Amino acid sequence: EDQVTQSPEALRLQEGESSSLNCSYTVSGLRGLFWYRQDPGKGPEFLFTLYSAGEEKEKERLKATLTKKESFLHITAPKPEDSATYLCAVQAPERVRFGAGTRLTVKP
Amino acid sequence: ETGVTQSPTHLIKTRGQQVTLRCSSQSGHNTVSWYQQALGQGPQFIFQYYREEENGRGNFPPRFSGLQFPNYSSELNVNALELDDSALYLCASSSFPGLAGDPYEQYFGPGTRLTVT
Repeated sequence: EDQVTQSPEALRLQEGESSSLNCSYTVSGLRGLFWYRQDPGKGPEFLFTLYSAGEEKEKERLKATLTKKESFLHITAPKPEDSATYLCAVQAPERVRFGAGTRLTVKP
Repeated sequence: ETGVTQSPTHLIKTRGQQVTLRCSSQSGHNTVSWYQQALGQGPQFIFQYYREEENGRGNFPPRFSGLQFPNYSSELNVNALELDDSALYLCASSSFPGLAGDPYEQYFGPGTRLTVT
């Protein structure tokens, strides 16, 4: 059965304090891994698609990487506006499974 | 470009009732997926529709059903509501993934908050 585990559940950072979020997965027939950002009461906002092990994608202060068993979302010098829940999801034929998310709080 | 829209925004129903939620897909997209998100959890895949037919289903009972219309908009119907059905229901649209096995990016609407009392 597909499994997606995100860690930590919650992370509190000071502004400018870089860190990484982890998404470990087991899935048969992986098509891709996605990262989303979700603000309270809103739908997830698409960030990245990763297709194969070794791939990296960057957007502003965020960088996502992928291995055969896990993905990392690196946040460099975060700002308070980066506070949100970050979700990862794995996609296989005819199904998608999300992790429970990491709730990130960045204090000024 | 028009994004994914959902209606209504909020809904309160009584246990045993039926509910219909609506979704309009982003322009240029022909595939719609529905998700249930309980508080503090990630979205759970309910099902996906392409060309007005179900194209994949998660672990949800048959009382969760859907429709897709020729304009690619979609409805989620839930019969015999239970207290545990209280959640944020999300709709996501995408282009059909095809048979090549490539991943497809999904874009989410703002969700419908359903409360069952």
